[in-house]
Amino acid sequence: DQQVKQNSPSLSVQEGRISILNCDYTNSMFDYFLWYKKYPAEGPTFLISISSIKDKNEDGRFTVFLNKSAKHLSLHIVPSQPGDSAVYFCAASEFSGNTPLVFGKGTRLSVIA
Amino acid sequence: DTEVTQTPKHLVMGMTNKKSLKCEQHMGHRAMYWYKQKAKKPPELMFVYSYEKLSINESVPSRFSPECPNSSLLNLHLHALQPEDSALYLCASSLRLAGGGETQYFGPGTRLLVL
Repeated sequence: DQQVKQNSPSLSVQEGRISILNCDYTNSMFDYFLWYKKYPAEGPTFLISISSIKDKNEDGRFTVFLNKSAKHLSLHIVPSQPGDSAVYFCAASEFSGNTPLVFGKGTRLSVIA
Repeated sequence: DTEVTQTPKHLVMGMTNKKSLKCEQHMGHRAMYWYKQKAKKPPELMFVYSYEKLSINESVPSRFSPECPNSSLLNLHLHALQPEDSALYLCASSLRLAGGGETQYFGPGTRLLVL
């Protein structure tokens, strides 16, 4: 059973517009969430994280929103740039446990110039 | 500095070869990880070391043998691999084990092709 779900395998957005990537989780014990960006044949690059005591975290063009009651988080990229084209993975872990990260299957973002 | 380095970048090996992948970090992280990633899939956890001790082995075949010689180095020894083992092998590290709000930082990966 997938504990972290990214239901959109791909997303296309025009340059300059907002990209919204979504992630849902089922394990109510998860309370630390991360987004990674990955280019082909490279390792994932850490983008931004959020713990469950917050509902929003912002870093430059990237903002992550967490809705604990809905078990949903989203990554907003604004404005989107062609260099943002990559696969984005959502990941989650339990703050209080020695558990590995659980990854979603990823969403491929294409930013069109 | 959040750099994890991995060597080699690319590796081609036959099914009878023995080779090793290397990973290094100098961030003072005490948890290190090996992942395997196939195309269009998320990273799949293989092994976790915490304070140089093997903490998690996700039922990985014995043809993969991890080693953590010290807190900065992590090796993955490969022997008698199969073509289906061809993948991108990723190393990651975090200050402590994931959980506790730890961020894992990934290396660039080694692209392995088994012929």
